[in-house]
Amino acid sequence: AQKITQTQPGMFVQEKEAVTLDCTYDTSDQSYGLFWYKQPSSGEMIFLIYQGSYDEQNATEGRYSLNFQKARKSANLVISASQLGDSAMYFCAMTHGTYKYIFGTGTRLKVLA
Amino acid sequence: EPEVTQTPSHQVTQMGQEVILRCVPISNHLYFYWYRQILGQKVEFLVSFYNNEISEKSEIFDDQFSVERPDGSNFTLKIRSTKLEDSAMYFCASKWGGPSNQPQHFGDGTRLSIL
Repeated sequence: AQKITQTQPGMFVQEKEAVTLDCTYDTSDQSYGLFWYKQPSSGEMIFLIYQGSYDEQNATEGRYSLNFQKARKSANLVISASQLGDSAMYFCAMTHGTYKYIFGTGTRLKVLA
Repeated sequence: EPEVTQTPSHQVTQMGQEVILRCVPISNHLYFYWYRQILGQKVEFLVSFYNNEISEKSEIFDDQFSVERPDGSNFTLKIRSTKLEDSAMYFCASKWGGPSNQPQHFGDGTRLSIL
């Protein structure tokens, strides 16, 4: 069965510094997708970045990048130059094709001024 | 940019009553999903819907739950006889196509409170 693990319930980072949010996954599928979503206190789910299991390059999207280590089954989100508006809950999710997302338990990030 | 729209944003219902949560997915999307998030917990899959039928459902999605897409635009989740434990944020999501690299787009959610 597929599983996502986020071991950091909460993280603090100083404004303008980089932070890494951890995500490990377990699957027997060869083809899968890994996604990160941001959930601000207002509650909506905002798509940040995607990494495919066959992608050789780490995904990047603006200040977000994904440190994908397939052999370790990890897909850590790196946020560079943190901003106060980055304070939110961050969820890692995995899917296979059109199927459902399996979400991790999330990491609450607080950016300090 | 097109977005998924959910109504109402907050629904308060007495235990035992029926509730219908409504969603308008992005217009050219083909795959539709409902998730729920109990306060402070992770997001859990309820059901996926494609080609006018349920493609997968979770253990949570029991006989009290149903979904339909009555008119080609709305996608509804019905809970027939609500329980206290149904109190949660319910998210609708949609996706254009099959490839894994297509993200699901989420609505802003409906907060359901059962009294």
